[in-house]
Amino acid sequence: GESVGLHLPTLSVQEGDNSIINCAYSNSASDYFIWYKQESGKGPQFIIDIRSNMDKRQGQRVTVLLNKTVKHLSLQIAATQPGDSAVYFCAENGGGGTSYGKLTFGQGTILTVHP
Amino acid sequence: EAQVTQNPRYLITVTGKKLTVTCSQNMNHEYMSWYRQDPGLGLRQIYYSMNVEVTDKGDVPEGYKVSRKEKRNFPLILESPSPNQTSLYFCASSLSWDYLGEQYFGPGTRLTVT
Repeated sequence: GESVGLHLPTLSVQEGDNSIINCAYSNSASDYFIWYKQESGKGPQFIIDIRSNMDKRQGQRVTVLLNKTVKHLSLQIAATQPGDSAVYFCAENGGGGTSYGKLTFGQGTILTVHP
Repeated sequence: EAQVTQNPRYLITVTGKKLTVTCSQNMNHEYMSWYRQDPGLGLRQIYYSMNVEVTDKGDVPEGYKVSRKEKRNFPLILESPSPNQTSLYFCASSLSWDYLGEQYFGPGTRLTVT
């Protein structure tokens, strides 16, 4: 079936830099996108989401950008901190019909923040 | 404390021996879901439940069963486990499918099938 993928499997940054994690999706019917953070040994944790009627949404130190034309999603983390080191997953929901509760994840990007 | 609990946290079993992994949430959430996580494959959804007595297949439902008889519990049943079901399993819940992304995940169950 259609799936969500990531361009970069690993990303290393210096503390204080801004980080950008990218995600490409293939299902043009997807209308809801989510970013999760997973620290080692723990379950994923919700960071931020965006619906397809928006192209940008901001949270605390994080911004999600959605480009529906090229089916691309990105997560920007401002002033990255060592505590941001984790695996980041994007996920998409295929929208209406029989897919309301279905969630498809990308493979993940490992973010490493160096002090 | 608001949480999703899973039991057991670790399980080693043999092929064909039926097992159940329990999942419980104390947040009165309508939506619950099971995922498996494998290296290089990320998380894949097994089954989900929009509410009591309503369950649907995710992307990888083969070899699994679920039930949702009460709101707080969503057990995952492996009737005849096989080695390819060795994985890390996560249960999650959210207020409703409207808040699908804002899922609370359990701590995970590491299952090994020999």
